[in-house]
Amino acid sequence: EVQLVQSGAEVKKPGESLKISCEGSGYIYTSYCIAWVRQMPGKGLEWMGIIYPGDSDTKYSPSFDGQVTISADKSIRTAYLQWSSLKASDTAMYYCARLAGSSYYHPLDYWGQGTLVTVSS
Amino acid sequence: DIQMTQSPSSVSASVGDRVTITCRASQDIISWLAWYQQKPGKAPKLLIYTASSLQSGVPSRFSGSGSGTDFTLTISSLQPEDFATYYCQQTNSFPPVFGPGTKVDIK
Repeated sequence: EVQLVQSGAEVKKPGESLKISCEGSGYIYTSYCIAWVRQMPGKGLEWMGIIYPGDSDTKYSPSFDGQVTISADKSIRTAYLQWSSLKASDTAMYYCARLAGSSYYHPLDYWGQGTLVTVSS
Repeated sequence: DIQMTQSPSSVSASVGDRVTITCRASQDIISWLAWYQQKPGKAPKLLIYTASSLQSGVPSRFSGSGSGTDFTLTISSLQPEDFATYYCQQTNSFPPVFGPGTKVDIK
């Protein structure tokens, strides 16, 4: 069974750093891209970027390029999303999701449960 | 970037109703369109890919159609568990953006 399990909710202050994780299981980890999707409170879905764990090749949506860093450690089947300096506007639910293939042409067929990030002073 | 729009933004319907949601792309995306369902407090779920292919395990009352710029998601007979928000997503070009969503609620 394919599963994506994300790390728990985080409460941070503006300016702090953060790294959240997404562990995959039940499939050949290096054959599928992992995407990160943001959902701000009461809002829609925003596609942030993807990583191909096989070679750690990453691609960011222009809206998020330079704002976050996506990485992966294939040895532990885990992808990461990190911020170096959080802002209040980063408050959102963040989902990881598996693409049904190795490029962005594919839909998101399995999703993690989400990680709620709250940034407040 | 390709822009995606959905209509209506919300619809009130009753159990058993036929519901149709429209998604429009700002340029030709061929058939590279997916539909997702999201219930409150839950992660989205893939329903349809490549415009009309039903994801494994999804009930056959869901169907998708269209190509080019105009697409539809149809629920043939609305069930209580179908009350949710539905999003389309284009996967033809980068970034693969989502539509703004259509909320289906109880009349």
